[in-house]
Amino acid sequence: EAGVTQFPSHSVIEKGQTVTLRCDPISGHDNLYWYRRVMGKEIKFLLHFVKESKQDESGMPNNRFLAERTGGTYSTLKVQPAELEDSGVYFCASSLIRGKNTEAFFGQGTRLTVV
Amino acid sequence: AQKVTQAQTEISVVEKEDVTLDCVYETRDTTYYLFWYKQPPSGELVFLIRRNSFDEQNEISGRYSWNFQKSTSSFNFTITASQVVDSAVYFCALRAIIQGAQKLVFGQGTRLTINP
Repeated sequence: EAGVTQFPSHSVIEKGQTVTLRCDPISGHDNLYWYRRVMGKEIKFLLHFVKESKQDESGMPNNRFLAERTGGTYSTLKVQPAELEDSGVYFCASSLIRGKNTEAFFGQGTRLTVV
Repeated sequence: AQKVTQAQTEISVVEKEDVTLDCVYETRDTTYYLFWYKQPPSGELVFLIRRNSFDEQNEISGRYSWNFQKSTSSFNFTITASQVVDSAVYFCALRAIIQGAQKLVFGQGTRLTINP
């Protein structure tokens, strides 16, 4: 079974440009999360989808970030316009909505560099 | 508020040495989960263990062991007879057991380097 897949693995963009990150969760996982690690600091929660609905977006830093999960499958995280402080590694994770196994399985992350 | 502190930013040891990674957490919740994740050079976060706050039994899995002490709010991770393949960044994390609250609170991570 495929794990959580993130694309691209790396992205280098100029300040002011737009970047869209994509996450394909494990098939059948209703929960989808976005996290971010900036400059060697702790990994911080951004938001949580349950199917296509935003359950918790308390971690989104500002309105330059837009996350979508149309159809409740894959998710995109768009940064527009990107700023230097947006550089970091963006992780996506997914988990089942029910059952004992509620572990979050993470993807390999997208390393975003804004120059 | 919830917080996880991994005071050791980097640790470097020689292969076959034992090494302990510290994790201290803060939470007002009476029920919660604690986790350890490993991030190898390939980048993905690999789940290692989940511990329920009601279960203070220590756990051993091969060369890995975890010491959960509720009295000191610590959940330390020990690697016995370390190997070069153990080199990675290790993250400790906390999650409240509240319906709908699924987010993890992570520590800053400890970069472990095992030298041959």
